[in-house]
Amino acid sequence: DGGITQSPKYLFRKEGQNVTLSCEQNLNHDAMYWYRQDPGQGLRLIYYSQIVNDFQKGDIAEGYSVSREKKESFPLTVTSAQKNPTAFYLCASSRTGHQDNYGYTFGSGTRLTVV
Amino acid sequence: QKEVEQNSGPLSVPEGAIASLNCTYSDRGSQSFFWYRQYSGKSPELIMFIYSNGDKEDGRFTAQLNKASQYVSLLIRDSQPSDSATYLCAVNLYPGANSKLTFGKGITLSVRP
Repeated sequence: DGGITQSPKYLFRKEGQNVTLSCEQNLNHDAMYWYRQDPGQGLRLIYYSQIVNDFQKGDIAEGYSVSREKKESFPLTVTSAQKNPTAFYLCASSRTGHQDNYGYTFGSGTRLTVV
Repeated sequence: QKEVEQNSGPLSVPEGAIASLNCTYSDRGSQSFFWYRQYSGKSPELIMFIYSNGDKEDGRFTAQLNKASQYVSLLIRDSQPSDSATYLCAVNLYPGANSKLTFGKGITLSVRP
């Protein structure tokens, strides 16, 4: 079955540490997205990519970095510059040019906690 | 700044009642609109999308779109306890080459048995 896989499900980060969240999809979707969700804040866009080797900043990109070397993969690195990283991170994908009509498919999420 | 607002909530209805969830958006050029359901601790799942004015029905769910007034709503008929979740409205505020969805903060619905 096609879908999006996020790993790990839970992640603990120490102060000053960089961590990488994995997102892999086998839906043959061109576009991929990273959102952050905090209680009462809804989903806020961190980064998105419409095509391999290209990505754009979203509304809250500071302290995060991404890469898109393969169509199937869009890993997110939470750097030590992100001062409040504790949140639920969601990866999503869609067909380019069709997300207007079909929306996104989401992964199951990664819950990151600073310890 | 272009926005999607869901200001009402939390919402509590008795089992069997109609739940009405509302959403407004700031950009008249928006063309596509989505409702996602999110259970506690889980990721959002798409339940409805609409892009033409009027009503769109799917089982117990009806999405209503009024582009002139810039609002989209979701009606849930015969509400069940299993409908208890947070409902997120999403709008494509930037149609075109860098298309992406903007989400509202969500409305939490509780259906009382």
